Amino acid sequence: DAGITQSPRHKVTETGTPVTLRCHQTENHRYMYWYRQDPGHGLRLIHYSYGVKDTDKGEVSDGYSVSRSKTEDFLLTLESATSSQTSVYFCAIRNADSLNQPQHFGDGTRLSIL
Amino acid sequence: AQKVTQAQTEISVVEKEDVTLDCVYETRDTTYYLFWYKQPPSGELVFLIRRNSFDEQNEISGRYSWNFQKSTSSFNFTITASQVVDSAVYFCALSEANTGNQFYFGTGTSLTVIP
Repeated sequence: DAGITQSPRHKVTETGTPVTLRCHQTENHRYMYWYRQDPGHGLRLIHYSYGVKDTDKGEVSDGYSVSRSKTEDFLLTLESATSSQTSVYFCAIRNADSLNQPQHFGDGTRLSIL
Repeated sequence: AQKVTQAQTEISVVEKEDVTLDCVYETRDTTYYLFWYKQPPSGELVFLIRRNSFDEQNEISGRYSWNFQKSTSSFNFTITASQVVDSAVYFCALSEANTGNQFYFGTGTSLTVIP
């Protein structure tokens, strides 16, 4: 299994509070991604990173920010959480050696905003 | 526009039946890559297979087979003699050479295999 750890695995918090999710990898892969999964929408890309301090927006980036200060860590921050951000969040990594490499996923973080 | 369409939202089959999960994609790139992932009830996402656009050879792995047809922009997944353990949500995904950083996922097909 790809060495990807997401923390926390579950979190319940209140509207308006800041939340940070962490993705840690031990594979030294260049690409890292954050997705959210909601019923009827599949996986939607929030942000991704193609190197340290290199990030870009995905399809649903509003309300989220990311940071990557080290190759192994990719942080997703909800500055002021809203109920619409209740979701399951997945981190993924990909080896940049070839474009045909698949993404490998962490186990997910279930986030509930009350 | 949706780049990957999985029109079947939910499918139920009786154990030992064969089932095909459809995936239709849209791209203007001549070089692209297609993937299937499985998400069992436990929630993790498991990579199943990858196919390159220049390789239309179908693939079989045990009870699983994949039919890639560029003429119809489809990459369908067939499970033969389904088992209860095949119950999961299956996602199809597309990666394009020109935007290789991103994957485009379909909305998934939930397969239930009834014992």
